[in-house]
Amino acid sequence: SQKIEQNSEALNIQEGKTATLTCNYTNYSPAYLQWYRQDPGRGPVFLLLIRENEKEKRKERLKVTFDTTLKQSLFHITASQPADSATYLCALDNYGQNFVFGPGTRLSVLP
Amino acid sequence: EAGVAQSPRYKIIEKRQSVAFWCNPISGHATLYWYQQILGQGPKLLIQFQNNGVVDDSQLPKDRFSAERLKGVDSTLKIQPAKLEDSAVYLCASSPRGGSSNTGELFFGEGSRLTVL
Repeated sequence: SQKIEQNSEALNIQEGKTATLTCNYTNYSPAYLQWYRQDPGRGPVFLLLIRENEKEKRKERLKVTFDTTLKQSLFHITASQPADSATYLCALDNYGQNFVFGPGTRLSVLP
Repeated sequence: EAGVAQSPRYKIIEKRQSVAFWCNPISGHATLYWYQQILGQGPKLLIQFQNNGVVDDSQLPKDRFSAERLKGVDSTLKIQPAKLEDSAVYLCASSPRGGSSNTGELFFGEGSRLTVL
C-alpha cells in the first residue's frame, strides 16, 4: 500500500544547530516533492519544491534533497532559530494530478 | 494580493446535524482543493476542482459530504449528517493551474475547525 512517513512526530533541537527532517515514501513515484510549514491554527505555507532530477535545492537557510532510489527527501534548516518552531509537512506529487501530504514533523527549537 | 478566504473559522455542532464551509480562492486560480486535517495528521485531499469541474473526489465520503464550485470561483463543502469522526480542520487551497505537474504551490486558507459533539 502507499505510505508517506516523516521521521519522528516531534523533534527538539538547540538553537543554532541544524535540524534535519526526513520524508520517506512507499509505492509512490513522485516527479515533484514539496515542503510546507504549518503553524498552530494556520494553514500550511509553501517553502520549497524539488524535482526528481534535482539532487538538492536551497533557499536561504533551507536545503532539500531528493533521492528517488532511497525514496527519501531530507529537509535541513541550518542555524535554527526558535522562530523556526513549527510543523513541517512533505507533499508528494500524485501522478501529476495533485499532492499527497505526509503526517508532518513538529519541530521545536530550544533557546 | 488577497489570500484564500474561508469561513467560518470555528463551528461546533451536534452529531447528525449539518454544516457548510465556504471558500473563496485567490483570484484567477483555476484549481481549488478541499483537504481534511485531523489533529496530529497531515492534510488529506477530499476533492479537487479544475474551474468548476471535479478532477478528483475519490476520497470524499459521498454519502455525507458534498462540494460544489459555483461558476469556477467560490466553493462550498457540506457535511450532512455529521459524525463524531468528522471533527477536524477543513482546509481550502488554490493554485494557478491544474495538476501537480505544473509544480504549482498550493495556497492555503486558515481553515475551518469543526467540532462534532
